[in-house]
Amino acid sequence: QVQLQESGPGLVKPSETLSLTCTVSGGSVSSNNYYWSWIRQPPGKGLEWIGYIHNGGNTNYNPSLKSRVTISVDTSKNQFSLKLSSVTAADTAVYYCARDVVVMVAAINYKWFDPWGQGTLVTVSS
Amino acid sequence: DIQMTQSPSSLSASVGDRVTITCQASQDITNFLNWYQQKPGKAPKLLIYDASNLETGVPSRFSGSGSGTDFIFTISSLQPEDIATYYCQQYDNLPYTFGQGTKLEIK
Repeated sequence: QVQLQESGPGLVKPSETLSLTCTVSGGSVSSNNYYWSWIRQPPGKGLEWIGYIHNGGNTNYNPSLKSRVTISVDTSKNQFSLKLSSVTAADTAVYYCARDVVVMVAAINYKWFDPWGQGTLVTVSS
Repeated sequence: DIQMTQSPSSLSASVGDRVTITCQASQDITNFLNWYQQKPGKAPKLLIYDASNLETGVPSRFSGSGSGTDFIFTISSLQPEDIATYYCQQYDNLPYTFGQGTKLEIK
């Protein structure tokens, strides 16, 4: 079964760039059937979709973060990554990577996030 | 962005109770809605996709219904292990958006 695992620094200084990697096991990031997303959750708050990458390079980002976000993929390592620049305390959150499943039935795309990584807390502080 | 509004924000119920959570979209999303369960300190887990389809392995006491802008999530008989926060999520339009969550507690 597919498993995802986030990794990266747990502490980032304000104005610097947050960098996280998600390692996929039991499946391929190159598969055309899936998108690969990043989602975050500030402490005690709800979920915010950050963006996804698909088919090796097609990306889509949440407009609220678009100017600061880059998602990339390394197919040789079966990983995808998140970079968020110019971070502030408001970017403190648990960051999850997730597989975005897409199933087409009668020309309609049904989508859901499954599975998710366990999440990693990133704190922005000097 | 499509706004997803869940109600209530928190809920206290007894074991065996029927529990209902509603999710309202700010515009018609057809049936492009999923429900997730998040236990403390854990990642969300998919329970229901496409508004009413139960994910494999999820107990049948969980169900979902609705279309358009109004959706319902139901636990037919609350069990102690159901204590969690529940989120709806739309995928009709990007960016994907989630409801604010409903925290379920045992009375």
